[in-house]
Amino acid sequence: DIQMTQSPSSLSASVGDRVTITCQASQDISNYLNWYQQKPGKAPKLLIYDASNLETGVPSRFSGSGSGTDFTFTISSLQPEDIATYYCQQYDNLPPFFTFGPGTKVDIK
Amino acid sequence: EVQLVQSGAEVKKPGESLKISCKGSGYSFTSYWIGWVRQMPGKGLEWMGIIYPGDSDTRYSPSFQGQVTISADKSISTAYLQWSSLKASDTAMYYCVRRAGYSRAFDIWGQGTMVTVSS
Repeated sequence: DIQMTQSPSSLSASVGDRVTITCQASQDISNYLNWYQQKPGKAPKLLIYDASNLETGVPSRFSGSGSGTDFTFTISSLQPEDIATYYCQQYDNLPPFFTFGPGTKVDIK
Repeated sequence: EVQLVQSGAEVKKPGESLKISCKGSGYSFTSYWIGWVRQMPGKGLEWMGIIYPGDSDTRYSPSFQGQVTISADKSISTAYLQWSSLKASDTAMYYCVRRAGYSRAFDIWGQGTMVTVSS
C-alpha cells in the first residue's frame, strides 16, 4: 500500500501569512495528488486536483505543486475563513486505490 | 445544481443492520463513480469503496472489504452503503462522494450521515 504523510500535523499562523503544508507518498504517484479543505462540522471540499490544478471557484491564494513523491500545498495569504483541516489524497491503480493523508489543522495565531 | 443528498442520522444497537443512501441530482448519475468515505469522531478521512452506477462495478478498500456492501439503483440515482451487523466501532460520519470526470479527485461531497452505534 502507498502511505501518505503530511507535515506539519498542525500550525498556527497570522492573517496574511504564507502557509505551506507538505505531503509525501511512500512511492511515485505521478501527479495523482489532490488537496481538500474541511471546516469544522462541514463536509470536505476539493481545492486542488492533479497536484497543481485549482478547482473551479476556489480562491487563487490556494495553490499546489509537486510530482512523484513530494507535494506542497500553499496558502499565499492566510485569511480567517481558511481555518480548517487540510487533507492530501492520492490515487493508485492498485487497492486501496484512494488514500488520504492524516491531515493538517490550520489555526489563526 | 450538481449535488449528493444523503439520508439522515441513524442511531442503532450493536448487531443491527443498516442501509444509508446518497441521491445524486443535476448530472448523469450513471456516468460518474460514487464513493464512500468514513470519518470517525475527531479523526481523519478513510476511503471505503466506490461504485460505478452505470454497470455496478464496485471496488473496496481492503480495510472495508467484507465489512460493508456498496450498491446503487440507477433508476432512482441513488447509491447505498450497508452493514449487516453493526459494531460500536462503526460509529462515524459517512460521506458519499463523486469522482470527478476530469481527474481522480472527489469533486462533489454529500452532507454526511452520522451513524451512532450504542447499546
